[in-house]
Amino acid sequence: AQRVTQPEKLLSVFKGAPVELKCNYSYSGSPELFWYVQYSRQRLQLLLRHISRESIKGFTADLNKGETSFHLKKPFAQEEDSAMYYCALKYGNKLVFGAGTILRVKS
Amino acid sequence: DAGITQSPRHKVTETGTPVTLRCHQTENHRYMYWYRQDPGHGLRLIHYSYGVKDTDKGEVSDGYSVSRSKTEDFLLTLESATSSQTSVYFCAISQSDLSGNTIYFGEGSWLTVV
Repeated sequence: AQRVTQPEKLLSVFKGAPVELKCNYSYSGSPELFWYVQYSRQRLQLLLRHISRESIKGFTADLNKGETSFHLKKPFAQEEDSAMYYCALKYGNKLVFGAGTILRVKS
Repeated sequence: DAGITQSPRHKVTETGTPVTLRCHQTENHRYMYWYRQDPGHGLRLIHYSYGVKDTDKGEVSDGYSVSRSKTEDFLLTLESATSSQTSVYFCAISQSDLSGNTIYFGEGSWLTVV
């Protein structure tokens, strides 16, 4: 069965420090993975999708099929990055989500 | 915002009463979804629709029903609300672009069952 695991409920870093939000998945097919971000009480916004290999707001994520991971990285955290981050796996026309990681960037 | 509107945005209701949440989209998307968001669980799929009158269950469908009589509207009904259904409900659509199909979300509906 398809499953997404985000092992950290909360990640707290100082401004300017590197950030890595972990995501591991379990899926027997060819994975299609996404990162969504949710700022306080707002809608989920698409941040990244692995298929387009783009960098948004300084964030990048690389799909590692050997380790079944899709970790989200940013070299220098900013205070405005504080939010909830969800990793999601697409199967068919549906998404399954991880439990989410709260990122807090301290000044 | 992919043309998605949810209503109501906030509702408080009593246990045992019926509740209907509405999702309206303006861009003729075929696929529509209802998710619920709870701490520690992320988002979980309740029901989804792949066309008018075509719906299917997600992973947490018990206690919920849906209807889609028009392309633009996808209704989620709690027949008899329970406190465990207190949650934030998100509607979503699937949109095709150059990178494939991507799912976009509405602004959410906060439901409290007392």
